[in-house]
Amino acid sequence: EPEVTQTPSHQVTQMGQEVILRCVPISNHLYFYWYRQILGQKVEFLVSFYNNEISEKSEIFDDQFSVERPDGSNFTLKIRSTKLEDSAMYFCASVGLYGYTFGSGTRLTVV
Amino acid sequence: QKEVEQDPGPLSVPEGAIVSLNCTYSNSAFQYFMWYRQYSRKGPELLMYTYSSGNKEDGRFTAQVDKSSKYISLFIRDSQPSDSATYLCAKGNRGSTLGRLYFGRGTQLTVWP
Repeated sequence: EPEVTQTPSHQVTQMGQEVILRCVPISNHLYFYWYRQILGQKVEFLVSFYNNEISEKSEIFDDQFSVERPDGSNFTLKIRSTKLEDSAMYFCASVGLYGYTFGSGTRLTVV
Repeated sequence: QKEVEQDPGPLSVPEGAIVSLNCTYSNSAFQYFMWYRQYSRKGPELLMYTYSSGNKEDGRFTAQVDKSSKYISLFIRDSQPSDSATYLCAKGNRGSTLGRLYFGRGTQLTVWP
């Protein structure tokens, strides 16, 4: 069964550092998403991406965040200057005919 | 506006019990509803989705939507220890499987043998 692959599974970074979270969506999917889940809280939408541009973003997705599909297969989320409150699980998802497929997530810990 | 609300539990039941998980949602023009299962340190996994009011069955799982009261439910019959997970309800506001999803907080379920 096709999978969405996310790397790394866990990343620890110092406050103020830049991080890049990577995702390989399912190959024939065209719509891609990032969500995050702070411990004990809801899964929250960050951004959706289609046709090489952002189609929708939430109020969380400020200027510190950016997304890119650099090579037609990878889909990345960059946080330019991490804050303590960015610590969360970040989930990538791609959407096909039968809806969302989520990756296993990257646990980001900002110290 | 809080789109989806869900009792976080935890819920603990014996093997074989019928489990009822519930969410409420706020109104919007186009709605489709999903239930996801999430194991520890994993991403949400789609269990069921439905667009309309009424019941939808898939094996031991039944999803129920009551649009008049804005209530969605998931029933698990003959629950098994392997059903132990966090169950997330979610709602989309578009007439398709595209678009952002609004999740409930999740209900943690433990089924003990």
